[in-house]
Amino acid sequence: GAGVSQSPSNKVTEKGKDVELRCDPISGHTALYWYRQSLGQGLEFLIYFQGNSAPDKSGLPSDRFSAERTGGSVSTLTIQRTQQEDSAVYLCASSSYTGELFFGEGSRLTVL
Amino acid sequence: GEDVEQSLFLSVREGDSSVINCTYTDSSSTYLYWYKQEPGAGLQLLTYIFSNMDMKQDQRLTVLLNKKDKHLSLRIADTQTGDSAIYFCAESSGSSNTGKLIFGQGTTLQVKP
Repeated sequence: GAGVSQSPSNKVTEKGKDVELRCDPISGHTALYWYRQSLGQGLEFLIYFQGNSAPDKSGLPSDRFSAERTGGSVSTLTIQRTQQEDSAVYLCASSSYTGELFFGEGSRLTVL
Repeated sequence: GEDVEQSLFLSVREGDSSVINCTYTDSSSTYLYWYKQEPGAGLQLLTYIFSNMDMKQDQRLTVLLNKKDKHLSLRIADTQTGDSAIYFCAESSGSSNTGKLIFGQGTTLQVKP
């Protein structure tokens, strides 16, 4: 597609449930990033995939968070046993060799 | 640890200049960025500057970098109502040119007609 596509755009879930958020990067972009934007806060880095290298998971806040990138393209961010503090907008971005990040519109997660 | 700080809100009148300030802590950052987020939209890269530069100008945008004080600013000349958005300052994490960035909290720019 023309840009980074994320789904769902909005997700409301109950505390304790698992959620999956999907990111479809720009075709040909080798790098893919997940960030989290909490209310009134800046973006917080979560995880970074580059080509076939092992992902940089240094920003994941707990072991309830995981992500995978299949076939070097689509990525799924999974949050297990969601908590209210997980409520945020989850942003995906991709980049090519230039390093410029292209962001999707985000998935807004609300945990009740 | 690494940190980026911005003021949270700025209000200007249409036609005036806007100056958004940012301070950062990681002196090894090679790149510093300004992103813009309009309501309901993803972030969009506005401009960036290499750490060995003092200034970069791009049409109505001027970026100033004071590396000694670790201070970055974005000046928007002739501010328009369409410039109303949240502006994020970000630094690269360390000296690498990856998209692993440290973002500030964002400055909401309100432009009054």
